[in-house]
Amino acid sequence: GAVVSQHPSRVICKSGTSVKIECRSLDFQATTMFWYRQFPKKSLMLMATSNEGSKATYEQGVEKDKFLINHASLTLSTLTVTSAHPEDSSFYICSAGSSGSSYNEQFFGPGTRLTVL
Amino acid sequence: AQKVTQAQTEISVVEKEDVTLDCVYETRDTTYYLFWYKQPPSGELVFLIRRNSFDEQNEISGRYSWNFQKSTSSFNFTITASQVVDSAVYFCALSGWNTGNQFYFGTGTSLTVIP
Repeated sequence: GAVVSQHPSRVICKSGTSVKIECRSLDFQATTMFWYRQFPKKSLMLMATSNEGSKATYEQGVEKDKFLINHASLTLSTLTVTSAHPEDSSFYICSAGSSGSSYNEQFFGPGTRLTVL
Repeated sequence: AQKVTQAQTEISVVEKEDVTLDCVYETRDTTYYLFWYKQPPSGELVFLIRRNSFDEQNEISGRYSWNFQKSTSSFNFTITASQVVDSAVYFCALSGWNTGNQFYFGTGTSLTVIP
């Protein structure tokens, strides 16, 4: 299957700093990328959907100024957590949908564990 | 509305027992896709199966089998002769044709296989 990478896999930062997480589709072009957040022992919560070259669509309750999403190319989307606070600590997972897929497939990255001190 | 329900929050079985994980879904789409993912402690989602709404054939892959019943809107997952390595959280997900690639995940079932 298609490969999606995330970087970094783990990050620890101080409160008030900003953290950028990269999501890359390695062997296919992703017209759509999704960002999820997962709290411990909870399900994946969709944060936003980003389409290449356009603004991301955020789910209700997700602060767009807090979680900046950029999808500048067909292989890269970034999520920036601005002025991070301890409550932003979570597991963030991205996924990418292939433009050539007819099966509504999403390929998931390995996740990024963010800890804000 | 799209919704996936996994009523079993946690299941514990003894090694070599069979276990079935339940998944019930709701959708208004006539074309849709159902998925199962495994999430081990490392956190990475491991794709297990995709099934489209027009294919009600049950599937078997090694110790894994899936039972898709449109009449009851269920897509259950059975692990035969469970092993310790099967311990993980399992998610069922739904993607509707009219909602593009957007996935709707169930709340997950945490499976513990006791040696």
